[in-house]
Amino acid sequence: EVQLLESGGGLVQPGGSLRLSCAASGFTFSDYAMSWVRQAPGKGLEWVAAISGSGGVTYYADSVKGRFTISRDNSKNTLYLQMNSLGAEDMAVYYCAKQRGIEPTNAGGYWYFDLWGRGTLVTVSS
Amino acid sequence: QLVLTQSPSASASLGASVKLTCTLSSGHSRYAIAWLQQQPEKGPRFLMKLNNDGSHNRGDGIPDRFSGSSSGAERYLTISSLQSEDEADYYCQAWGTGILWVFGGGTKLTVL
Repeated sequence: EVQLLESGGGLVQPGGSLRLSCAASGFTFSDYAMSWVRQAPGKGLEWVAAISGSGGVTYYADSVKGRFTISRDNSKNTLYLQMNSLGAEDMAVYYCAKQRGIEPTNAGGYWYFDLWGRGTLVTVSS
Repeated sequence: QLVLTQSPSASASLGASVKLTCTLSSGHSRYAIAWLQQQPEKGPRFLMKLNNDGSHNRGDGIPDRFSGSSSGAERYLTISSLQSEDEADYYCQAWGTGILWVFGGGTKLTVL
């Protein structure tokens, strides 16, 4: 079955760190760029970070640049998001998403996300 | 700057059709978008990529009750033969140089 399954969310104190994981199955993981997208309670979707199929190219939203790190282990079919210096503004459900193309760009028109996970909730509170 | 604008809410009756709109900001009228559906307490689901000429390709398993069309800077999602499970939030998404991925604010669809 083609699916993405996030894990690693939970309660963390302000200023703390958390590492999210996303296990992929049912497709050749290394053939596709991946992204993390978050959704604050009752709010819309916000793109957070993206990584190429090889892992060699990464992009970040300004709101998380310098605090979050996206990475992947293609041998384990797993995507990661290391989150440091967490604040209340980071509290959200975090989704991993598979991009249609291998590079995190508009190349070939394959910029869109055609598979999403169910999400994992990150709560930042003291 | 690329901005996508959606009406916050829409409603239609069971079995009827509804047309949702996503408006691209000035200077971006030729951009393609993607439509996403998010049912309550679930992750988003890809519905289709919609090009500026109205051509679109649906995601796997998406029924042809869901169709897309374009006019100028407007991108439309039409859902026909509305079913109760179509009650959801619908988002449009686009990609722009510099800003990378951007989402509209979403439209909450109520099926009456």
